[in-house]
Amino acid sequence: KAGVTQTPRYLIKTRGQQVTLSCSPISGHRSVSWYQQTPGQGLQFLFEYFSETQRNKGNFPGRFSGRQFSNSRSEMNVSTLELGDSALYLCASSFSLQETQYFGPGTRLLVL
Amino acid sequence: GESVGLHLPTLSVQEGDNSIINCAYSNSASDYFIWYKQESGKGPQFIIDIRSNMDKRQGQRVTVLLNKTVKHLSLQIAATQPGDSAVYFCAENRPRSQGNLIFGKGTKLSVKP
Repeated sequence: KAGVTQTPRYLIKTRGQQVTLSCSPISGHRSVSWYQQTPGQGLQFLFEYFSETQRNKGNFPGRFSGRQFSNSRSEMNVSTLELGDSALYLCASSFSLQETQYFGPGTRLLVL
Repeated sequence: GESVGLHLPTLSVQEGDNSIINCAYSNSASDYFIWYKQESGKGPQFIIDIRSNMDKRQGQRVTVLLNKTVKHLSLQIAATQPGDSAVYFCAENRPRSQGNLIFGKGTKLSVKP
């Protein structure tokens, strides 16, 4: 069974731009969570989706948003990029809520 | 200002020795705990999990111990190999009303051949 896939793997943007990251969960998994990983803050939860609905949200500004499609694939969007948004963005999928999460390889975003 | 990186605790062991990585969690209501391994340039990889109604669980070369009294979790790796070198994270799963997985800061395991 294929694992969680994320595209693109690497991205360079400039301040003020926006970015959309994509995540395809493991086949059969219906829950997708997003995390931001930085050297300064570690792994921080962004949001979780299940059945196309956001079920949980971390403490991030409204510039960070996401959505989930009927096939469980998910996208997250960051608008008006800031230098501090440079990070590894990780997607994790699970069969359902409160189940073991399996991570993708991440998208490394660099904001210049 | 300039951000300061997390100073990860580092555990350095000799190949073949056993490793013990510790983690303290914060919420007594957490009911599920997971250990992840993250190698450089990769996403976290699931190693083993344990529910709060257990105090020990064993996998292949790994054992997780849970002490709910002191809110402490440990990961034991038997016969540590160079391929075990990575950053290890514990994560606690809080009841739905309190949020998603909460990750610890991580411990860097370095295995000397």
